[in-house]
Amino acid sequence: AQSVTQLGSHVSVSEGALVLLRCNYSSSVPPYLFWYVQYPNQGLQLLLKYTTGATLVKGINGFEAEFKKSETSFHLTKPSAHMSDAAEYFCAVSDGNTGKLIFGQGTTLQVKP
Amino acid sequence: DAGVIQSPRHEVTEMGQEVTLRCKPISGHNSLFWYRQTMMRGLELLIYFNNNVPIDDSGMPEDRFSAKMPNASFSTLKIQPSEPRDSAVYFCASSRLAGELFFGEGSRLTVL
Repeated sequence: AQSVTQLGSHVSVSEGALVLLRCNYSSSVPPYLFWYVQYPNQGLQLLLKYTTGATLVKGINGFEAEFKKSETSFHLTKPSAHMSDAAEYFCAVSDGNTGKLIFGQGTTLQVKP
Repeated sequence: DAGVIQSPRHEVTEMGQEVTLRCKPISGHNSLFWYRQTMMRGLELLIYFNNNVPIDDSGMPEDRFSAKMPNASFSTLKIQPSEPRDSAVYFCASSRLAGELFFGEGSRLTVL
């Protein structure tokens, strides 16, 4: 079975500050890991994904995440927050075979001016 | 290219009525997923299809829910009879097998 835990349902940062959204996973097989972003009244959009290979993954809008197997983590970071980054962020895990994603509960990112 | 198209975007209905949500996946994608999003339970996978065949429907809440995929370009999620606790946003997503999921904009259902 697979599961995802996102630590912190709400994160607030100032514009220009570091963004760190935490994600831990559980998987009995090598995981595929994803971060999605959801803006109000919209669907989910892929930010980045890890399948195999390099453990530091770069995505859109300046976000990146690092797969750490020893810590079963896949935290999302961005060096400098913009107002436009305010949204809900979801971490997800897949087994790489079925394609189905299991999502975490989501983290709402607030960016203060 | 057109993305995943869902209809209706908003549906308000009364308890006991039948609700049908529709989804057109991206052309060429062979996997289709139905998710439900609520504040309390987050994003839940209801059912998914590969090549129009239902693979896993263990997330379907109860017999009131049913989903079909008669061809590669169309799927429906039906709730009959609907109840207030079914109020949620229902998302359809499609992918090439085991690839990135592309989500529609969702159907917001309110059952009074």
